[in-house]
Amino acid sequence: NAGVTQTPKFQVLKTGQSMTLQCAQDMNHEYMSWYRQDPGMGLRLIHYSVGAGITDQGEVPNGYNVSRSTTEDFPLRLLSAAPSQTSVYFCASSYGDRAYGYTFGSGTRLTVV
Amino acid sequence: KNQVEQSPQSLIILEGKNCTLQCNYTVSPFSNLRWYKQDTGRGPVSLTIMTFSENTKSNGRYTATLDADTKQSSLHITASQLSDSASYICVVSALTSGTYKYIFGTGTRLKVLA
Repeated sequence: NAGVTQTPKFQVLKTGQSMTLQCAQDMNHEYMSWYRQDPGMGLRLIHYSVGAGITDQGEVPNGYNVSRSTTEDFPLRLLSAAPSQTSVYFCASSYGDRAYGYTFGSGTRLTVV
Repeated sequence: KNQVEQSPQSLIILEGKNCTLQCNYTVSPFSNLRWYKQDTGRGPVSLTIMTFSENTKSNGRYTATLDADTKQSSLHITASQLSDSASYICVVSALTSGTYKYIFGTGTRLKVLA
């Protein structure tokens, strides 16, 4: 079992560029989420999905889009990168509702210059 | 406002020693509390999860306690090892209108020295 796989591990973008962070899980989890982790702050929820075709906003959704066409994949798109989006991004998945606990990916470190 | 505060921010101990990390929360309505371990450059990994009715939960050398009355939790690490060097994150969930909301603490960074 690979668990939750995120790609790429590292990325440098120029301001205004767009890109997609990939997330895939092979545990047949219904719930998937994207978080960002910044120094001195707890993880903050960007977007989440409770199943294929269903997505919703978290607490910091601006500048990001998501889609969930399959159970396995939950990509995060940065529409027009800004330096404020420099962060470490984590994808997480869980079985059933999120109370059962997350399995996190290993993260994507993004730098926007 | 829902908040989770952890202390200390960082801690250095010698290998073999015990330590206790603290988590205070103001989250309502409380559903459960979890402790995660995050190694440098990796995603968080769940250590324990406790509901309102549970006071203590152990996972090997890790023991978490919960006092729902005072809204405090602690994570006790016994006989520390070098591999315990990591950040420990307290996460409290609230169940509101059928939806779970997760509030993350900023973590305690633990360094175990040989």
